[in-house]
Amino acid sequence: ETGVTQSPTHLIKTRGQQVTLRCSSQSGHNTVSWYQQALGQGPQFIFQYYREEENGRGNFPPRFSGLQFPNYSSELNVNALELDDSALYLCASNQIGGPSTDTQYFGPGTRLTVL
Amino acid sequence: QKEVEQNSGPLSVPEGAIASLNCTYSDRGSQSFFWYRQYSGKSPELIMFIYSNGDKEDGRFTAQLNKASQYVSLLIRDSQPSDSATYLCAVRAGGTSYGKLTFGQGTILTVHP
Repeated sequence: ETGVTQSPTHLIKTRGQQVTLRCSSQSGHNTVSWYQQALGQGPQFIFQYYREEENGRGNFPPRFSGLQFPNYSSELNVNALELDDSALYLCASNQIGGPSTDTQYFGPGTRLTVL
Repeated sequence: QKEVEQNSGPLSVPEGAIASLNCTYSDRGSQSFFWYRQYSGKSPELIMFIYSNGDKEDGRFTAQLNKASQYVSLLIRDSQPSDSATYLCAVRAGGTSYGKLTFGQGTILTVHP
């Protein structure tokens, strides 16, 4: 167990709806990154949050947005859901400025199904 | 060319054998390299990280990095059936992109008794 938690575990939505996924980082970690993993593929970087600001973004449209809170927890919001958004959404945390500053630890993930 | 490519699988080895997993990357500025293990239906679990050229050993696992060849590998000695999983190679580019890990597609390893 890494200490990174995510909720909910599973979620079913219909096309066009909006979804919010939540993540609590490991104790002592100040950075949260979100990844999307489609079946049979490696995780794809969505974005990272550090000090409550977006600190890098992958090739995802603006309908993917996020937040980081003062306690370093984070939310991923996806608007106007599409069928291709069905995937495992992973949150990872690390400590920028720490001894292994870029070593990321993953939470258990949220499985999103869009019908 | 994909940014991070792993040897195509699936890879099947007998129990007790050495499993060799390979990964190449395209960005010469890459700084940090990671191996994750992912069991079916679970999230990736960090096995090892390596920053410098050469070998790094941790128990039955050895990571090897050759930046000149843009190549990183993972050797698993004395493979056990519990090692059966998908192994993901991940690379972090240089600069301040601390968060962005670029993953390969994964190699499925099966260790049969």
